[in-house]
Amino acid sequence: GNSVTQMEGPVTLSEEAFLTINCTYTATGYPSLFWYVQYPGEGLQLLLKATKADDKGSNKGFEATYRKETTSFHLEKGSVQVSDSAVYFCALRLYSSASKIIFGSGTRLSIRP
Amino acid sequence: DAGVTQSPTHLIKTRGQQVTLRCSPKSGHDTVSWYQQALGQGPQFIFQYYEEEERQRGNFPDRFSGHQFPNYSSELNVNALLLGDSALYLCASSQDAGTVNTEAFFGQGTRLTVV
Repeated sequence: GNSVTQMEGPVTLSEEAFLTINCTYTATGYPSLFWYVQYPGEGLQLLLKATKADDKGSNKGFEATYRKETTSFHLEKGSVQVSDSAVYFCALRLYSSASKIIFGSGTRLSIRP
Repeated sequence: DAGVTQSPTHLIKTRGQQVTLRCSPKSGHDTVSWYQQALGQGPQFIFQYYEEEERQRGNFPDRFSGHQFPNYSSELNVNALLLGDSALYLCASSQDAGTVNTEAFFGQGTRLTVV
């Protein structure tokens, strides 16, 4: 079936540290890939996306590259801030079933000042 | 622009009861999707409504039903509530979500607790 697996949290880092959150996927078709962020008390927000292999999505200093050969879409940021503390979800959508977003289980990130 | 609004924000129901959750989509959006997010899990797709019809459905029992009104707002109904239905219910709106690159905007959710 179609699914997303992401590293379990929580992840705790010091401010200005380098961040990587791993995400791999299984898909029967050719997916578009997404990272969503959920800040405390807020709804999900789209952070970045990539629609084809080797595309790099980026936003607010975060980046992720669509790697078809390794079926991965790891999230990275060079220097995290306290305000980045949130839950991050990797997700995919298939062209054959575009209505549905398939999410991973989420990774909680906490940044220490 | 008010974005996607959901009501109520919190709700406590007893096992066996029925509940209705409401969603108003972002201005200009005509498609509404519903997701269930259990504690510590990612959201799970329940169904999507477009042009007042259910377009696609996830793996949820018939106890979960919905409706879309002519003004594009939507309701999610859950009958015969179980303890396991306790979750955050998220509504997402978009413009004709038939394409994979149409961005979905999420509301803050309704926290349902079944006791």
